[in-house]
Amino acid sequence: GAVVSQHPSWVICKSGTSVKIECRSLDFQATTMFWYRQFPKQSLMLMATSNEGSKATYEQGVEKDKFLINHASLTLSTLTVTSAHPEDSSFYICSARAPGQGFGYYNSPLHFGNGTRLTVT
Amino acid sequence: AQSVTQLDSQVPVFEEAPVELRCNYSSSVSVYLFWYVQYPNQGLQLLLKYLSGSTLVKGINGFEAEFNKSQTSFHLRKPSVHISDTAEYFCAVSSGGSNYKLTFGKGTLLTVNP
Repeated sequence: GAVVSQHPSWVICKSGTSVKIECRSLDFQATTMFWYRQFPKQSLMLMATSNEGSKATYEQGVEKDKFLINHASLTLSTLTVTSAHPEDSSFYICSARAPGQGFGYYNSPLHFGNGTRLTVT
Repeated sequence: AQSVTQLDSQVPVFEEAPVELRCNYSSSVSVYLFWYVQYPNQGLQLLLKYLSGSTLVKGINGFEAEFNKSQTSFHLRKPSVHISDTAEYFCAVSSGGSNYKLTFGKGTLLTVNP
């Protein structure tokens, strides 16, 4: 089955530093990956859509200069939280479409990484 | 615009009892519906999906859901739950197409007690 690997699973950093989170599709190519943020006991909020070889598309209210997304290859997207502050502490989850399941590319369900717990002190 | 409402934030049940987790959606176009499960500190795992065809969809771990277009619902059911089913369950909707965006409900915490 389609596997999405996310690294690290947890990270603690000091306020003002930057943190990079990696999202890899292990057994398929993903031209599009999605980054979500989840607050405690709440749903997932889409932050941005990462497109291989082009700029990411950010959702309204998400600071693109703070949350830098790079999708340099068909199997890797990275999210960098720049100048992190305690309010950036959250659970970040990436996902990717896994085509080839008989429903066409755009109808393919998303497969999720295991998430990254970011704590900014 | 599309939205998802999960009517129950928490559902406690006893082991081997049946369970139904409710989900209603709104969308101005044809929709694709999904249920995902999230275990603590993990990502989401797809339980089942409805794209077209039969309105009764069977998924993994004995779960099933029924798409009801007239009631705009996609309730998740399991006839007999196990302790290991304790998790957060998310209903999600997408209108598909190239502008693929998955909108999630707020989740329902299913707690199975012995």
